[in-house]
Amino acid sequence: QSALTQPASVSGSPGQSITISCTGSSSDVGLYNFVSWYQKHPGKAPKVIIYDVSKRPSGVSDRISGSKSGNTASLTISGLQAEDEADYYCSSYTNTSTLGVFGGGTKLSVL
Amino acid sequence: QVQLVQSGAEVKKPGSSMTVSCKSSGGTFSSFAISWVRQAPGQGLEWMGGVIPIFGTTNYAQKFQGRVTITADESTSTAYMELSSLRSDDTAVYYCARSWPDFFYGSGSPHFDYWGQGTLVTVSS
Repeated sequence: QSALTQPASVSGSPGQSITISCTGSSSDVGLYNFVSWYQKHPGKAPKVIIYDVSKRPSGVSDRISGSKSGNTASLTISGLQAEDEADYYCSSYTNTSTLGVFGGGTKLSVL
Repeated sequence: QVQLVQSGAEVKKPGSSMTVSCKSSGGTFSSFAISWVRQAPGQGLEWMGGVIPIFGTTNYAQKFQGRVTITADESTSTAYMELSSLRSDDTAVYYCARSWPDFFYGSGSPHFDYWGQGTLVTVSS
């Protein structure tokens, strides 16, 4: 069981917006603004798309945004495109001996 | 351009050990941290631990403590991850990934900006 909880799947039509939640605890998401999001296509290495809750690395589309409220972080993708279809993982720093934890992943389908 | 190149796929017997290497090029190896993340078939990502080469500082996920050893050789810009007492559920793709050291000190996200290509390790009798 993953330390962070994500929905198993979400879907949307091209042009729509979707939001993926990531629920942690007061030891990780709720305590620190140190949440990252990764996009992963099958057979490829993950790619960071959000770090520090809401910062986008250079080159990442501004259709992608992150936020946090309490113990839950969220990833929003607007103007869905076929290329957005992938698995998405959240990750957070945690104040336990295991520094980093991931969510179980969410499969995004673009219908 | 930073590149992390990992060693090739392996098949291991239960109870044995495995070592995966991760060679960095195109950047300053020692100033960053290298973590190891794995993904078992059909499962999510899992952080195993990491090292800050310039200090030799390591940190391991509680789940793997006692079974994993992560080291770095600054002279060759290569990080290594050794996992012992292998079980069938260690079958996974293992990735190395680079981050700023602040993650290890509780002052930054697990922000892995460069990743290796992944190494499939199959544990089977």
